[in-house]
Amino acid sequence: GAVVSQHPSRVICKSGTSVKIECRSLDFQATTMFWYRQFPKQSLMLMATSNEGSKATYEQGVEKDKFLINHASLTLSTLTVTSAHPEDSSFYICSASGGLSYEQYFGPGTRLTVT
Amino acid sequence: DAKTTQPTSMDCAEGRAANLPCNHSTISGNEYVYWYRQIHSQGPQYIIHGLKNNETNEMASLIITEDRKSSTLILPHATLRDTAVYYCIVRVDNAGNMLTFGGGTRLMVKP
Repeated sequence: GAVVSQHPSRVICKSGTSVKIECRSLDFQATTMFWYRQFPKQSLMLMATSNEGSKATYEQGVEKDKFLINHASLTLSTLTVTSAHPEDSSFYICSASGGLSYEQYFGPGTRLTVT
Repeated sequence: DAKTTQPTSMDCAEGRAANLPCNHSTISGNEYVYWYRQIHSQGPQYIIHGLKNNETNEMASLIITEDRKSSTLILPHATLRDTAVYYCIVRVDNAGNMLTFGGGTRLMVKP
């Protein structure tokens, strides 16, 4: 199957700082990328959908000014958590779809801890 | 997208078949049934999907009832590495269509 990578795999930052998470599709062109968040013992919750070259569409309750998403190329999307707070600590997962298949391929996730 | 109902947890003996049920009684005619699994602290992994016919690949088999209101994912010979949360999702096949994850079934494969 297609490969999606995320970087970093885990990050610890201080409250008030910003953190950027990268999501890359390694062997296919991802026309659409999705960002999910998962709190401990809970299911994945969609945060936003982004299409290459367009502004992201955010789910209700997700602050677009806090979670900045950029999808500038067909192989890279970034999520920047601005002014992070401890309650933003979570497992952030991206997925990508594109080409002839409608399947979504997930990255390995990024564990963010805000102290 | 239609809602799905899955048991919260199941156990299976190593080497035996694991049969994971999913109810999707409000599924629409153009919605596919997808199965993903998530091993602890990893991203979800695609397993299989289907519309009406039963499907099989190297990982699993998907059995969809004739009325499409339920399905069963079958892992023919479960191993310890199959311990994970299994998600059944129904959605219209569209490149921009997100996946809506429910609670899933926590499958524990025991020696």
